[in-house]
Amino acid sequence: DTEVTQTPKHLVMGMTNKKSLKCEQHMGHRAMYWYKQKAKKPPELMFVYSYEKLSINESVPSRFSPECPNSSLLNLHLHALQPEDSALYLCASSQDRGRAYGYTFGSGTRLTVV
Amino acid sequence: AQSVTQPDIHITVSEGASLELRCNYSYGATPYLFWYVQSPGQGLQLLLKYFSGDTLVQGIKGFEAEFKRSQSSFNLRKPSVHWSDAAEYFCAHNFGNEKLTFGTGTRLTIIP
Repeated sequence: DTEVTQTPKHLVMGMTNKKSLKCEQHMGHRAMYWYKQKAKKPPELMFVYSYEKLSINESVPSRFSPECPNSSLLNLHLHALQPEDSALYLCASSQDRGRAYGYTFGSGTRLTVV
Repeated sequence: AQSVTQPDIHITVSEGASLELRCNYSYGATPYLFWYVQSPGQGLQLLLKYFSGDTLVQGIKGFEAEFKRSQSSFNLRKPSVHWSDAAEYFCAHNFGNEKLTFGTGTRLTIIP
């Protein structure tokens, strides 16, 4: 299995809702990442998990809460989002956290906040 | 600041023509450089990467890139493009802070 699987593919939520995005990989990768991508922009790093521990938080607002229950699974919990949070949310994984490792990306969750 | 720059926002080429997408970096030491491709509404796929050794790197889908330290460049090339190559292409770097950071991207359009 050489894929990163993200669910759901599309999500529409209200500003008072609580929802979660899920990311799963079975490649034995020990580093996992959340990126946010606005339309016609490059992906921007949000969080890095290494060996199931949060190692980088790029000053992301607390309405985004990441969780790594085990080495194969990464969640992003969403609460009280704003319309400007609408974006494509990409999960990625790499063999380890080092510089030389390329990332494998999932196909993303298209989030719309109404 | 350490960064990569993609000077071309949009490039249009004819099917069967050759392609070169530009990427320049600013960094004193040898950077870790990557090229990714993103089809509309999809995730990103790694085409190739460079961090040492042979400066001409072969990737998937017939792409190659050449690292030129004298020009601070890592341009992506393909000898003959196919309509399926139409996508957004991102040059990316990891300058030692273990965070993969992307250039602004180049949108490639293929005309018949």
